[in-house]
Amino acid sequence: DTGVSQDPRHKITKRGQNVTFRCDPISEHNRLYWYRQTLGQGPEFLTYFQNEAQLEKSRLLSDRFSAERPKGSFSTLEIQRTEQGDSAMYLCASSSGTRPYEQYFGPGTRLTVT
Amino acid sequence: AQKVTQAQTEISVVEKEDVTLDCVYETRDTTYYLFWYKQPPSGELVFLIRRNSFDEQNEISGRYSWNFQKSTSSFNFTITASQVVDSAVYFCALYLSNTGNQFYFGTGTSLTVIP
Repeated sequence: DTGVSQDPRHKITKRGQNVTFRCDPISEHNRLYWYRQTLGQGPEFLTYFQNEAQLEKSRLLSDRFSAERPKGSFSTLEIQRTEQGDSAMYLCASSSGTRPYEQYFGPGTRLTVT
Repeated sequence: AQKVTQAQTEISVVEKEDVTLDCVYETRDTTYYLFWYKQPPSGELVFLIRRNSFDEQNEISGRYSWNFQKSTSSFNFTITASQVVDSAVYFCALYLSNTGNQFYFGTGTSLTVIP
């Protein structure tokens, strides 16, 4: 079990550019979650998938954000036309469907928008 | 509405001292879980402890212990004989089974253990 992995770990981009992050969950987990953590705050829920279906989206997930999990395995989170306010740590977590409260978190992708 | 409050933003203790991190939560749900996570500078959230709303028994696990009191909606966490490696940000979190399957995190308490 290699745990949840995220790529890249750090991303610096200029305002207006598009960025995409990847999350690989624990292989036997069918649920995958995305959270955003800004400086000095706790993580905030963005969205989650059960298998390939996106079941819930937070109001924080503006129309510039899109997440996919095409084959029910890895997931991508894309931010279009990045803004400085998007600078944050983006955390991915996974869990089984039977124990959704046991979420295992990845190391995160730190995004800096200049 | 759901909310988790960690009133202590920063705490500094000298190594080997005991330290208690406070957490107060708000929810109308009767079924929920409470958690403490540790976030070292590397950024990864490390699970420490979990309690469900039906189990107020307080326990000790190694140097960690917690005090869950539903009457005051508090879930405090104590580290005994603190060590430098305990320096991190600690988050209290609330998980609701019936509302969105998501966590509600507090704003965190930054703990510094001075050698």
